Amino acid sequence: EAQVTQNPRYLITVTGKKLTVTCSQNMNHEYMSWYRQDPGLGLRQIYYSMNVEVTDKGDVPEGYKVSRKEKRNFPLILESPSPNQTSLYFCASSLSQGSGELFFGEGSRLTVL
Amino acid sequence: AQSVAQPEDQVNVAEGNPLTVKCTYSVSGNPYLFWYVQYPNRGLQFLLKYITGDNLVKGSYGFEAEFNKSQTSFHLKKPSALVSDSALYFCAVRDPILTYKYIFGTGTRLKVLA
Repeated sequence: EAQVTQNPRYLITVTGKKLTVTCSQNMNHEYMSWYRQDPGLGLRQIYYSMNVEVTDKGDVPEGYKVSRKEKRNFPLILESPSPNQTSLYFCASSLSQGSGELFFGEGSRLTVL
Repeated sequence: AQSVAQPEDQVNVAEGNPLTVKCTYSVSGNPYLFWYVQYPNRGLQFLLKYITGDNLVKGSYGFEAEFNKSQTSFHLKKPSALVSDSALYFCAVRDPILTYKYIFGTGTRLKVLA
């Protein structure tokens, strides 16, 4: 089954404690991206990757890091989380070119105390 | 600046009635247009897209969308709403040249009343 898998689905942590949200897709997609969803703001892009070892900032990259060492994986790293990073995070993938739609993971709800 | 607007935070409709969820965009060129649906505690699911051709696009679950280039709109429609259609709906555009660039609207919550 074609899918994007994120872990963990739910996480409560404290300010400053590094964490990683993993994302994996099994569709051989070149493009992967991270979004955060906040009430009234819709989805905002954090980082994206057009292919292995190619990543770039989206609209709200501050406080986040990513890596793309393998085509299927695109982890999101919060080196020193802060309360304003409390949000619902989505990983998504698609074909790089053309009109391909995004395939989304189920989301990771992060609370930073 | 590129943008997508969903002017209604919430739309209420009675079951069996037609529904419309509005979307307008401001993107240069000929963008690809999408609608996604989000059910509670789930990720976004693709509903339909417009690339080129017929202005009326049909998608999943009986939804369709009408592309209007002159009004830069891409409204989502369904002839007869179901209670199970209640969800959060997002309009999005993808730049056909800068293909990494997806822009989402803020979402419209659809409530279908029995």
